[in-house]
Amino acid sequence: DTAVSQTPKYLVTQMGNDKSIKCEQNLGHDTMYWYKQDSKKFLKIMFSYNNKELIINETVPNRFSPKSPDKAHLNLHINSLELGDSAVYFCASSQVWRGDSPLHFGNGTRLTVT
Amino acid sequence: GENVEQHPSTLSVQEGDSAVIKCTYSDSASNYFPWYKQELGKRPQLIIDIRSNVGEKKDQRIAVTLNKTAKHFSLHITETQPEDSAVYFCAAYSNSGYALNFGKGTSLLVTP
Repeated sequence: DTAVSQTPKYLVTQMGNDKSIKCEQNLGHDTMYWYKQDSKKFLKIMFSYNNKELIINETVPNRFSPKSPDKAHLNLHINSLELGDSAVYFCASSQVWRGDSPLHFGNGTRLTVT
Repeated sequence: GENVEQHPSTLSVQEGDSAVIKCTYSDSASNYFPWYKQELGKRPQLIIDIRSNVGEKKDQRIAVTLNKTAKHFSLHITETQPEDSAVYFCAAYSNSGYALNFGKGTSLLVTP
């Protein structure tokens, strides 16, 4: 079984549309994250959630709204998509948020905005 | 947040040679330093990590060294093989401890 699974794998959409990416982890971890990887491969933290509570929002436009219905799920909804949103979005989880546990990544969602 | 600098951005070595990638971090309170390998089109995967209570850790052909005083840590790959070709990322937790901040990555190419 995949430990961190996200859907869809690919997402192609037009500017102005709204889309969602779903993420689920079956590792029993308390903390989940969304990272954005741009075309230069830079991995940048977007959000961090611990036990369904938002911990970090790293200067992400408010068009991006994460939602965590329970600690095993962290979904990402994006409104009014822009060309610059094209990237690979990775969901990840870690056991605790005390700064000494590794992240486990999902397989990524490649978003292309045309 | 934590500032993590990584060098070089690209590295090309011949099969069998060693490869070294270096990172520096800014927050002296950081105490956990993982390295991730990302193959083309795949997710980043943890290959080795080190905590601040040790100076070196080895796992077969890969090793990580940590100098807390100088705030830098390095990845060493010996006897490189073509399948080691990938992008490697170092990381350190932000000073709040809430998220891993990554270096900008090193694209390693191992030529046969």
